Parts: sequence; structure tokens; C-alpha cells
Amino acid sequence: NAGVTQTPKFQVLKTGQSMTLQCAQDMNHNSMYWYRQDPGMGLRLIYYSASEGTTDKGEVPNGYNVSRLNKREFSLRLESAAPSQTSVYFCASNGGVVNEQYFGPGTRLTVT
Amino acid sequence: GESVGLHLPTLSVQEGDNSIINCAYSNSASDYFIWYKQESGKGPQFIIDIRSNMDKRQGQRVTVLLNKTVKHLSLQIAATQPGDSAVYFCAGESGGSNYKLTFGKGTLLTVNP
Repeated sequence: NAGVTQTPKFQVLKTGQSMTLQCAQDMNHNSMYWYRQDPGMGLRLIYYSASEGTTDKGEVPNGYNVSRLNKREFSLRLESAAPSQTSVYFCASNGGVVNEQYFGPGTRLTVT
Repeated sequence: GESVGLHLPTLSVQEGDNSIINCAYSNSASDYFIWYKQESGKGPQFIIDIRSNMDKRQGQRVTVLLNKTVKHLSLQIAATQPGDSAVYFCAGESGGSNYKLTFGKGTLLTVNP
């Protein structure tokens, strides 16, 4: 099992550009999450998906959209990137049996 | 909602010593807590968890203590090794379904040889 995978690993965008961060899990988990991590701060929840076909806002959803494409994949889209979205983005999944979330390796995004 | 914070942003210990990392939470209704370890350039990894009906839980070289009276939990690492150097996060369940977690800011543990 690969666990949770994320692409790309690194990305540089100019202000106003758009991009989609991809996440996939092969653990047959129902729930998936997108977090951002900024220096000196913990992980903050952007959006989550409790199951295929559902998505909900987290703590910091502004400027982002998500798509739960199927049970495996959960993508995060930045329609018009801003420098404030420079961060490391982590995707996670949870099988629902216990509360442990499994994290991907992260995407480091810089917006200039 | 849950607010989870850490007492110290950094902790430096000697190899072989025991480490104690502390965490405070604000939501007395939180019933589940997790400790994660994050090495440089990687995603967080689960270490140990504890439910609110427990005071203590032990794993391999790690122990989590929960004091519900003062809303405090700690992670104890026995015989700290260089490989334990990382950022440690506590996280609390925000309540409701969907297993949402609120993370603290993290403590950077440095193990000196």
C-alpha cells in the first residue's frame, strides 16, 4: 500500500494563477481532509469530505475549492492564487474505525 | 470549538534522557486526543492516542497522560534517541462526526548526542 499520495511535491505560482493539488489514498478510507501548515502554526483544516459525494468547509476554506472525485481521490483547487496561500498543504484520510488520520507527504506551494 | 496549544515551542534534551512535551486544551467536551510526530519534510505520523475516559496510555517508549481537571495532556518519551528529533503535535477531536481534529502549534524536540 502506498497510503496517501500527493502531487505535486513542489509548486511555484504567480499571483492570480490557478492550480489543483491532487490527493489519493489506497486504504479504502471514507473520510479525507485537506490541511495547510504555516511556520509556527499547527495544521489548519481547509476542507474535508466525510464520504464520497460530500464535502464540508473546515477552519480556513476561503480561496479554495475541493472535489471528491471518487472514494480514492480528493483534490484541492486554488482558482486565483494569492501570496497568503503560500504554505505546505497536507492531505489526510481516515478509515472511521479509529480516529487516527493518515497523512500524505505534503505539497510545498509558493505564490509570488 | 477546540483550541489546542502547547506550553513550549522548543525542547532540547540529551540522548538517553526522558522528554516531556505538554499540551493544553480548552474544550472540556473533547473526548479524544492524538499525538503526532512530524519529521522535517514529511507529513505527521501517528504516535499514540488517548480517550477522555483514560488517564494514561502507554506505547513503546511513549506514554500519554491526560489530566481532565486542568485540561492538560503530556507526551513522555523514555530514553530519547536522535531519531526522536522532530516536531510533536497534539490534536483534539472537535466534536461531532467526521473525525475532525484541531491541532496545536507544535513543539520542536532536539536530541543532543
